[in-house]
Amino acid sequence: DTGVSQDPRHKITKRGQNVTFRCDPISEHNRLYWYRQTLGQGPEFLTYFQNEAQLEKSRLLSDRFSAERPKGSFSTLEIQRTEQGDSAMYLCASSLWRTGRASGTLDEQFFGPGTRLTVL
Amino acid sequence: RKEVEQDPGPFNVPEGATVAFNCTYSNSASQSFFWYRQDCRKEPKLLMSVYSSGNEDGRFTAQLNRASQYISLLIRDSKLSDSATYLCVVNLISGGYNKLIFGAGTRLAVHP
Repeated sequence: DTGVSQDPRHKITKRGQNVTFRCDPISEHNRLYWYRQTLGQGPEFLTYFQNEAQLEKSRLLSDRFSAERPKGSFSTLEIQRTEQGDSAMYLCASSLWRTGRASGTLDEQFFGPGTRLTVL
Repeated sequence: RKEVEQDPGPFNVPEGATVAFNCTYSNSASQSFFWYRQDCRKEPKLLMSVYSSGNEDGRFTAQLNRASQYISLLIRDSKLSDSATYLCVVNLISGGYNKLIFGAGTRLAVHP
């Protein structure tokens, strides 16, 4: 399978614990995105990387959240001191952005299967 | 006000029915528009892009009205396999950075 993969698929943790999720994008993709989705809502943008650079962070990304993409390939999302409100599906997506592409051109994002986090 | 608003669901329709979903967006700087499909407990997948001239892909037709900031999706001859949540998505592009803004989704249930 050459799609986006995420690990683990499910995580149950107790409030106050730290958790880390991993995303492996499609191999040639230079952009990687993290989203959070709660029940009955669409995915909400958290942050994204172009290669190893983190270019944008949502205000949803509190200081308990940190994301890295150290070598421009896989990425990790860490949540420290988890709270019950962190329970959600965490989705990763990747895309291939070509320099010089005209503004407005579709930058199709391919999503991984997500990591479902439950904080007890 | 949410940046992308969709019809509340669920829509329960019989096979063969025609169903239409509506969506409005608030940011006039939005540059690209899409419909994604999300099956239960699965990731979103791109269904189709939406162009100002309107576009059709088999039984699916998407329309965009930039003046009204309104997007629609029409599904003709519904199939059982069309049952899913349909997410309206706008793409904000600024300085080469782009971000997808998703609506909450409209659930479609097609029954025999």
